[in-house]
Amino acid sequence: EVQLLESGGGLVQPGGSLRLSCAASGFTYSSYAMSWVRQAPGKGLEWVSAISVGDATYYADSVKGRFTTSRDNSKNTVYLQMSSLRAEDTATYYCAKMTRPYYDRSGYYCDSWGQGTLVTVSS
Amino acid sequence: QLVLTQSPSASASLGASVKLTCTLTGGHSDYAIAWHQHQPPKGPRYLMKVNSDGSHTKGDGIPDRFSGSSSGAERYLTISSLQSGDEADYYCQTWGPGIRVFGGGTKLTVL
Repeated sequence: EVQLLESGGGLVQPGGSLRLSCAASGFTYSSYAMSWVRQAPGKGLEWVSAISVGDATYYADSVKGRFTTSRDNSKNTVYLQMSSLRAEDTATYYCAKMTRPYYDRSGYYCDSWGQGTLVTVSS
Repeated sequence: QLVLTQSPSASASLGASVKLTCTLTGGHSDYAIAWHQHQPPKGPRYLMKVNSDGSHTKGDGIPDRFSGSSSGAERYLTISSLQSGDEADYYCQTWGPGIRVFGGGTKLTVL
């Protein structure tokens, strides 16, 4: 059974930094791309970032230049380093397993999700 | 620009059927989408992928009550024999070169 466990959320001041982690189990982690998706209070889902097995990354325009995603295949863990945080980054952040090791036009979507970790940016 | 459009809300009675719609805009009517169910505070749950030809591939354990279909730029999620546990937010998702996007979601109320 695929399990994704996020951690690292919390309260941070505007302009601050935070690193989220997502520990994966139940599948061959090194063979799949991973994504981070967030949901701000009262809003819908927003695809934040994705990282392929070859470490190619994608970022939403809203976080480009401020967030960095990385992966450690030895620890089956994907990270989201967030800096220059803003109030609008306040959200629950979900880790998701993708269906392919890298972008593939035939199918590149989330097929397993974590429970999420809450990030609150406030002074 | 690829955008996925969903109605903000839908409702149907217990035991009835409901058809949720996700519309692809920006000339991308051949794109496949994926449907997800979200019942906060739980994490989302992948339901199925729906192709432009209407074929669909469901996730593990998704009941037969859930099905997908397509017509032109519209992708559908049909839930039959509605149960109270189906009350949730439903999102569609798609992907393309440099594109990763979710629809705005539909909040389904079971009456």
